[in-house]
Amino acid sequence: QKEVEQNSGPLSVPEGAIASLNCTYSDRVSQSFFWYRQYSGKSPELIMSIYSNGDKEDGRFTAQLNKASQYVSLLIRDSQPSDSATYLCAVPRRGGGADGLTFGKGTHLIIQP
Amino acid sequence: NAGVTQTPKFRILKIGQSMTLQCTQDMNHNYMYWYRQDPGMGLKLIYYSVGAGITDKGEVPNGYNVSRSTTEDFPLRLELAAPSQTSVYFCASSYGSDRGFSYEQYFGPGTRLTVT
Repeated sequence: QKEVEQNSGPLSVPEGAIASLNCTYSDRVSQSFFWYRQYSGKSPELIMSIYSNGDKEDGRFTAQLNKASQYVSLLIRDSQPSDSATYLCAVPRRGGGADGLTFGKGTHLIIQP
Repeated sequence: NAGVTQTPKFRILKIGQSMTLQCTQDMNHNYMYWYRQDPGMGLKLIYYSVGAGITDKGEVPNGYNVSRSTTEDFPLRLELAAPSQTSVYFCASSYGSDRGFSYEQYFGPGTRLTVT
């Protein structure tokens, strides 16, 4: 059974600063990694996917993957109060992902105005 | 596109009652999933389907059943509801892929279920 570990937080970051969210996973063969954002009382929303070592940037979001260290992170630049949410890291449950994802418990991020 | 839709949004059940949670997607995705999320916890996979007529168990299938007669619909059946089934239920779908990896999943709005 794969495990995905995240610091539950809360992680408090001043508005305009960089928020750094971390995730470690137990299975060396994982190929796909996903970050979801979940506002309180809402459903998870996919914000980033990453498959290769290195960085992937999309707007203010950068995902960083290090397969050797089994570590994936999400950076949010110029943090805004609207970024306050729980961020969930996910990896395929088995194989490539057809049979579902294993989620971490999430990191609660608070952006302080 | 409406994406993934779920009904009802909220439901209160008495112990021992049964109900069906509905999930429909209009993105022509082959892959569909049911997760439950308990407070402060990550999502746990209940059942999944890789196409019409094909379903399989996830991590926490006990007390639930599913069917997939069409590409669009993937209902989740709760038989003999128990307090342990109090949770938020999310349906998700994916278009799949393989060598290019992907299997990005897109979620419905959820059903909040209370069993008392």
